[in-house]
Amino acid sequence: EADIYQTPRYLVIGTGKKITLECSQTMGHDKMYWYQQDPGMELHLIHYSYGVNSTEKGDLSSESTVSRIRTEHFPLTLESARPSHTSQYLCASSDPTRLLGVLFFGPGTRLTVL
Amino acid sequence: AQSVTQPDIHITVSEGASLELRCNYSYGATPYLFWYVQSPGQGLQLLLKYFSGDTLVQGIKGFEAEFKRSQSSFNLRKPSVHWSDAAEYFCAVGPDNYGQNFVFGPGTRLSVLP
Repeated sequence: EADIYQTPRYLVIGTGKKITLECSQTMGHDKMYWYQQDPGMELHLIHYSYGVNSTEKGDLSSESTVSRIRTEHFPLTLESARPSHTSQYLCASSDPTRLLGVLFFGPGTRLTVL
Repeated sequence: AQSVTQPDIHITVSEGASLELRCNYSYGATPYLFWYVQSPGQGLQLLLKYFSGDTLVQGIKGFEAEFKRSQSSFNLRKPSVHWSDAAEYFCAVGPDNYGQNFVFGPGTRLSVLP
């Protein structure tokens, strides 16, 4: 059973607000990811991290930022939300040294910006 | 660059019928290949993976997939579909040129008729 959690599950917020999407995992995985998912579209990698104090931008340009102060925690922040940020955000983690490419996903946060 | 196509956006089958979901990929070498399933309101869960060896791989929930190098395909099959199989199915390939991340297809939504 994968132990990766995301909060909130659903968020409706007005334009211009600052938001933070939380992601935590209890598996001790060094690598963590944020994907953006829109209906009928492939998952797009927006951020990833190799471990504490490591953050990298993914394939899809994003106005969000991430931090990795603790191994288990990988929050994503939008400083000023806009309607174009409306999407589902999926957090994932992996242990590439043991199972390369096998990702464990959280349940996602569905964000709506009005 | 790596890419994944899933030609069928939506498939509907009757319960008990057989299922085949198509996945084609573009990759410069022998890829690692994955199928993930996403139930409504949930994150993605790994169904099966192919790294090397036997080209027919077995996964969870009675699914299997066959790697065909000559066709650049990795189709997912199940001999008898259950109503609980209704979900979104994603094919993924990698790793990328940096040896780190994986590319997901756009997904195929499966509906199951009673």
